[in-house]
Amino acid sequence: TQLLEQSPQFLSIQEGENLTVYCNSSSVFSSLQWYRQEPGEGPVLLVTVVTGGEVKKLKRLTFQFGDARKDSSLHITAAQPGDTGLYLCAGAQGGGSNYKLTFGKGTLLTVNP
Amino acid sequence: KAGVTQTPRYLIKTRGQQVTLSCSPISGHRSVSWYQQTPGQGLQFLFEYFSETQRNKGNFPGRFSGRQFSNSRSEMNVSTLELGDSALYLCASSFRPDRDYEQYFGPGTRLTVT
Repeated sequence: TQLLEQSPQFLSIQEGENLTVYCNSSSVFSSLQWYRQEPGEGPVLLVTVVTGGEVKKLKRLTFQFGDARKDSSLHITAAQPGDTGLYLCAGAQGGGSNYKLTFGKGTLLTVNP
Repeated sequence: KAGVTQTPRYLIKTRGQQVTLSCSPISGHRSVSWYQQTPGQGLQFLFEYFSETQRNKGNFPGRFSGRQFSNSRSEMNVSTLELGDSALYLCASSFRPDRDYEQYFGPGTRLTVT
């Protein structure tokens, strides 16, 4: 059973369109991270959300953490080809020596020019 | 400062062989985590080392092992390779294993088992 479910698994859109991808779980997380991974590279951290209901904006990307800290969404406005990549969410549990990070399988986004 | 480096970047092995992958963390980082990434299972946690001690281990068979040296560099070893071990192996480093410290990933080692 996957602890973190990401949807959709694949998404292909045209440049200029808006999109939202989701990260859902039945577990509560102390924080949730979003990464983007480009072909041939490792994931790069985009944002960390910590507080339930928190909204963070990074240029055209808007991240929201659910009120119950079990889910998150990533909204991209006016997508560009440079946004193409695998978007991964990762939930953090515990702290100190018990800190653990669990990843979802990701949403593969393709933005066509 | 230099990022996380992994060597080799690509590797082809045959079933039954063993392999050792290397990871050099960002200078000053003492925590190194290893992940296996496949299209079917996504990113799965292998193990984490902090100050030369294995702190956490994922649900992988004993064929997968690792270690960390005093300079924080880490190696992982896979013995008796199976076809299903073909994957991208990623390592990530952070100052310490805590949510307040960002984790930085290397580019990965692409292992193909034939």
